[in-house]
Amino acid sequence: GAVVSQHPSRVICKSGTSVKIECRSLDFQATTMFWYRQFPKQSLMLMATSNEGSKATYEQGVEKDKFLINHASLTLSTLTVTSAHPEDSSFYICSARDRRGAGTEAFFGQGTRLTVV
Amino acid sequence: GESVGLHLPTLSVQEGDNSIINCAYSNSASDYFIWYKQESGKGPQFIIDIRSNMDKRQGQRVTVLLNKTVKHLSLQIAATQPGDSAVYFCAETTLNAGKSTFGDGTTLTVKP
Repeated sequence: GAVVSQHPSRVICKSGTSVKIECRSLDFQATTMFWYRQFPKQSLMLMATSNEGSKATYEQGVEKDKFLINHASLTLSTLTVTSAHPEDSSFYICSARDRRGAGTEAFFGQGTRLTVV
Repeated sequence: GESVGLHLPTLSVQEGDNSIINCAYSNSASDYFIWYKQESGKGPQFIIDIRSNMDKRQGQRVTVLLNKTVKHLSLQIAATQPGDSAVYFCAETTLNAGKSTFGDGTTLTVKP
């Protein structure tokens, strides 16, 4: 299957700082990428849909000014957690969908474990 | 072993037994369903999928059954192995939008 790479896999940051997480599709082009958040022992919750060359679409309750998404190319989307606080500590996962269109599955990255201290 | 009810969070089986994990979905317009396996500290790993125009699909040791009438999905794992221990999520998707809505997840523990 296709490969989605997420970086970093693990990050610890101080409260009030910002953290950038990268999601790359390695062997396909993705017009659409999705960002999910997963708290311990819970399911994945969609945060936003990232569209190449346009603004991201955020799910209800997700602060767009806090979780900045940039999808500048067909192989890269970034999620920046701004002014991070301990409650932002979570597992962040991206998925990417092949640009070849409807009917194709989305492939998941390996996730980023964010710990805010 | 078989999970009882639609949202049993844990399932424990003996190695070699068959496992059945159940999931209820909510959107009757969903046209694509996926089962994922997630090991601790890792992202979800695709297991098997099924389109809404099918009611059964088989893979290697796994079978997915779809009942659209009651909006129910199940994952059957044959001859369960210790390496199958993980959390299993079902996800429903509309192919147009591409985004997936995940179920609560079931933790499968395989005892040797």
